[in-house]
Amino acid sequence: AQSVTQLDSHVSVSEGTPVLLRCNYSSSYSPSLFWYVQHPNKGLQLLLKYTSAATLVKGINGFEAEFKKSETSFHLTKPSAHMSDAAEYFCVVSGLRTSGTYKYIFGTGTRLKVLA
Amino acid sequence: NAGVMQNPRHLVRRRGQEARLRCSPMKGHSHVYWYRQLPEEGLKFMVYLQKENIIDESGMPKERFSAEFPKEGPSILRIQQVVRGDSAAYFCASSPPVQRANYGYTFGSGTRLTVV
Repeated sequence: AQSVTQLDSHVSVSEGTPVLLRCNYSSSYSPSLFWYVQHPNKGLQLLLKYTSAATLVKGINGFEAEFKKSETSFHLTKPSAHMSDAAEYFCVVSGLRTSGTYKYIFGTGTRLKVLA
Repeated sequence: NAGVMQNPRHLVRRRGQEARLRCSPMKGHSHVYWYRQLPEEGLKFMVYLQKENIIDESGMPKERFSAEFPKEGPSILRIQQVVRGDSAAYFCASSPPVQRANYGYTFGSGTRLTVV
């Protein structure tokens, strides 16, 4: 079975400082992992995805994430936070149904607050 | 190329009324997924449909909720006799016919249901 844990429900950073949003996963096979962002009262936007190619994945808006199999982690980082980064971030693992189809399993989300 | 279209964006219903939420997938996508997001919570999977078929409804409440994806027209999530606890944001996502674990879903902007 697959699962994903986001270790922090809230993270606050000052504008211009680094961002780290933590995610650990559990999977019985090589997983596909994603990060989505949700701005207030908006839908979800795909930030980046890991698909067993490069372990360091670059996404939109300066975000990147590193897949570490030994630590079962897929943490999201950004060197310098911007006010517009304030949003909810979801880590997602793609899980396999018994039918052979895939489904997303969402983490509970991390709310990022950026302080001026 | 329009994305996933959900309507209405906001829906207010009195207790006991019916709510109908519509989702038109991206062009070329034949898989539709419905998720519910309760206030301050992550996204919970409800149902996965292909044209005229329900593939996985393991996340659907046993009563009052139903979903369909007809051969023609949008997917419909129907909630009968709504209660205050149904107030949430309902998101639809779609993906192409050939499923791969590493293919990111495309999400709509959601329907925010308020039961008064």
